[in-house]
Amino acid sequence: NAGVTQTPKFRVLKTGQSMTLLCAQDMNHEYMYWYRQDPGMGLRLIHYSVGEGTTAKGEVPDGYNVSRLKKQNFLLGLESAAPSQTSVYFCASVRGLGTDTQYFGPGTRLTVL
Amino acid sequence: DAKTTQPPSMDCAEGRAANLPCNHSTISGNEYVYWYRQIHSQGPQYIIHGLKNNETNEMASLIITEDRKSSTLILPHATLRDTAVYYCIVRGYSGNTPLVFGKGTRLSVIA
Repeated sequence: NAGVTQTPKFRVLKTGQSMTLLCAQDMNHEYMYWYRQDPGMGLRLIHYSVGEGTTAKGEVPDGYNVSRLKKQNFLLGLESAAPSQTSVYFCASVRGLGTDTQYFGPGTRLTVL
Repeated sequence: DAKTTQPPSMDCAEGRAANLPCNHSTISGNEYVYWYRQIHSQGPQYIIHGLKNNETNEMASLIITEDRKSSTLILPHATLRDTAVYYCIVRGYSGNTPLVFGKGTRLSVIA
C-alpha cells in the first residue's frame, strides 16, 4: 500500500492564480480531510468528506473548494490564490469505524507570491 | 471535543525516558485521548490512544489518571529520531471525527 499520497509536493503561485491539490489513498477509507499548517501552529481543518460525493466545511474553509468524485481521491482547489494561503497542506484519511486512526500524507508546500 | 493543554517545549537526554504531560480537565466519558507526533515538516504520525486504562505499544506508553483529567505519554528510551512536536488530542468515539490540533509540545532529544 502506498497509503496517502499528495500531488504536488511543492508549488509556487502568483496571486490570483488557481490550482488543484490532489490527495489519493489506496486503503479504501471512507473519510478524508484537508488541513493546513502555518509556521509554529498546529494543523487546522479546511474541508472534509465523509464519503464519495459528499463534502463539508471545517474550521477555515474560505477561499477553498473541494470535491470527492471518487472514493480514493479528495481534491482541494484554490480558485484565486492569495498570499494568506501560503502554507503546508496535509491530507488525511480514516476508515471510519470507532477509534480508527487517521493516516496523513507527506504534505504539499504552497507559496503564493 | 475537550481542549488539551501541553507545555510548549521539553528536553530529554538520549536514552532516558521522555515523559510528556497533557491536561484535559473537561474530557467527557466517551472521549478518547490520542497522541500524534510530527517530525520536522512531515505529516503527523499516530502514536497511541486510550480511554481510561493505561496502554502500551511498540512506540510508547500512555498513562491516564484515574479521574481522566490528565495523561502522560512515555517514550521509554528516547533517541535523537524522537525529536518532534507531540500532539495530545481528545476525540469522541467516532472514526469520522476530525482531529483538532493544538500547538503541541516540541520535544528535543539531546545527545
